[in-house]
Amino acid sequence: AQTVTQSQPEMSVQEAETVTLSCTYDTSESDYYLFWYKQPPSRQMILVIRQEAYKQQNATENRFSVNFQKAAKSFSLKISDSQLGDAAMYFCAYRTRNNAGNNRKLIWGLGTSLAVNP
Amino acid sequence: KAGVTQTPRYLIKTRGQQVTLSCSPISGHRSVSWYQQTPGQGLQFLFEYFSETQRNKGNFPGRFSGRQFSNSRSEMNVSTLELGDSALYLCASSWANGISYNEQFFGPGTRLTVL
Repeated sequence: AQTVTQSQPEMSVQEAETVTLSCTYDTSESDYYLFWYKQPPSRQMILVIRQEAYKQQNATENRFSVNFQKAAKSFSLKISDSQLGDAAMYFCAYRTRNNAGNNRKLIWGLGTSLAVNP
Repeated sequence: KAGVTQTPRYLIKTRGQQVTLSCSPISGHRSVSWYQQTPGQGLQFLFEYFSETQRNKGNFPGRFSGRQFSNSRSEMNVSTLELGDSALYLCASSWANGISYNEQFFGPGTRLTVL
């Protein structure tokens, strides 16, 4: 069974600085998706960035980028030029590309609470 | 387009009661998934519905059930509530066609407290 581990329950960063959130996962599959979701205090879960395992290039969305190390099963999120609005819980999630049977679900890490200090 | 809506936003029940939560997906989305979020267990998948059929189910007891209507709106029901059912219940919808993956959009959640 696949698992997702986020080893940092809490992180903090100064406004305008850079922070990296860690995520490792375990799977025997070769084709899958990885995601970072953000859940602000208002609780609406928002997709931050998505990575497809077959793509070697790391995904980037504006100030958010990932470091995807497939062999190491590592998927970290880098937030550059941190803003107060980045304060939230960040979840790493995994999903197989296999759409059959009981596979169509997201498997989640426990999250990292990010505080942004002014 | 309106986002995913969930009602009610907050609910307080007592042990042994039952509860029904509702989710209206984004217009055009036919897949609805439900997740339970607790501080200790994180987010856990409950079930997924597509075109009124349950396609996928997580490891929850039979007290947790759901259904989907022809307009893609979904409800989940929890019977014989236990204290451990206190959680944030999230609903997510996607334009899933059963072939490729499509992004899930989440609702604000229903906070259920069982006393």
